Amino acid sequence: EIVLTQSPTTIAASPGEKVTITCRASSSVSYMYWYQQKSGASPKLWIYDTSKLASGVPNRFSGSGSGTSYSLTINTMETEDAATYYCQQWSSTPPTFGGGTKLELK
Amino acid sequence: EIQLQESGPGLVKPSQSLSLTCSVTGYTITSGYDWSWIRKFPGNKMEWMGYISYSGSTNYNPSLKSRISITRDTSKNQFFLQLNSVTTEDTATYYCASRLLQWDYFDYWGQGVMVTVSS
Repeated sequence: EIVLTQSPTTIAASPGEKVTITCRASSSVSYMYWYQQKSGASPKLWIYDTSKLASGVPNRFSGSGSGTSYSLTINTMETEDAATYYCQQWSSTPPTFGGGTKLELK
Repeated sequence: EIQLQESGPGLVKPSQSLSLTCSVTGYTITSGYDWSWIRKFPGNKMEWMGYISYSGSTNYNPSLKSRISITRDTSKNQFFLQLNSVTTEDTATYYCASRLLQWDYFDYWGQGVMVTVSS
């Protein structure tokens, strides 16, 4: 199976700061998907097809990457962005998730 | 809009079977979606367990293949998870989720049910 490794595991950012989360795959994948999960809630699709924002996602978020390296970027951190973010692939079965990146407010 | 709701016991004894139900509203499970079970362990690791397709075929994570069964009741628009011979390592929050066939991501999720395996 394809292993997804996210970094950092935890990051703290101040409002207005730029944040980048990385997801590296053990083999090349065609697309990467990202979810946001807040405490006590279920994951929400956040970015699909590597760079497309899901419905309702603010445009301060962006996604990029190819092959084995992908990233999620927040251009200017806002308080509501504090959450855990997961990457996910389904280029090969089984679909797999990264270990998550917890984004905290500094 | 599709809504999914998990239900089932929150405590299961080791060596017993874990059984959960996912009730779907807003969409018929025999239409064009796959219906998955995904779990999140303490410490945040997430694992896709398997799915049952709109046609009734199943696909399981090889790591669970000998212990897992996903079935459905189309009259009730529900699908089910059974995981046999559980251990404490199966303690997790269990989610049901949907995937439209032409996509490779999970678009709708239930709220999750926490299951603890303990004697």
